[in-house]
Amino acid sequence: EPEVTQTPSHQVTQMGQEVILRCVPISNHLYFYWYRQILGQKVEFLVSFYNNEISEKSEIFDDQFSVERPDGSNFTLKIRSTKLEDSAMYFCASSEGIGSGYEQYFGPGTRLTVT
Amino acid sequence: QKEVEQNSGPLSVPEGAIASLNCTYSDRVSQSFFWYRQYSGKSPELIMSIYSNGDKEDGRFTAQLNKASQYVSLLIRDSQPSDSATYLCAVRGPGTGFQKLVFGTGTRLLVSP
Repeated sequence: EPEVTQTPSHQVTQMGQEVILRCVPISNHLYFYWYRQILGQKVEFLVSFYNNEISEKSEIFDDQFSVERPDGSNFTLKIRSTKLEDSAMYFCASSEGIGSGYEQYFGPGTRLTVT
Repeated sequence: QKEVEQNSGPLSVPEGAIASLNCTYSDRVSQSFFWYRQYSGKSPELIMSIYSNGDKEDGRFTAQLNKASQYVSLLIRDSQPSDSATYLCAVRGPGTGFQKLVFGTGTRLLVSP
């Protein structure tokens, strides 16, 4: 069964450093998403991406964040200058479409630890 | 008012019993509703989706939607210890944005052998 994959599974970085989290969405899916979950808190939407453009973003997704589809399979989230509060699980998700009948499938996540 | 509300639990049920998980949402124009299961330290795993009023059954799981009451529930029949996890209710657009899922904080379910 096709699944979303993410690398790395765990990333440790120092405050102020740039990190890139990588995702390979399900191959026939057209919509891609990033969510994050701070330990003990709920899953929060960051951004959605379609046709090489951001289609929706939350207030969390400020200028420190960017997304890119550098090739036909990868989808990346970049955090330019990490802060302690960026420590969280970051989940990539994908869906075939939007609206009723289309469901989002999540990858295993990347645990980001900022020290 | 929180957009998606769930009782955090834990909800404890014995093996073989029915577990009933509930969720309310604030945006009356929400159209799509989902239940995800999340084991500790893992990612959300889609269990059920429901888009219209009524019941939807899939194996041991039944999702129920009442848009007039802005209420979604998940019933798990013949609960197993392996069902012990946090169950996340998620709601999607148009009021929340057609694409993003808005999650509740989740209900922790404990199934005892």
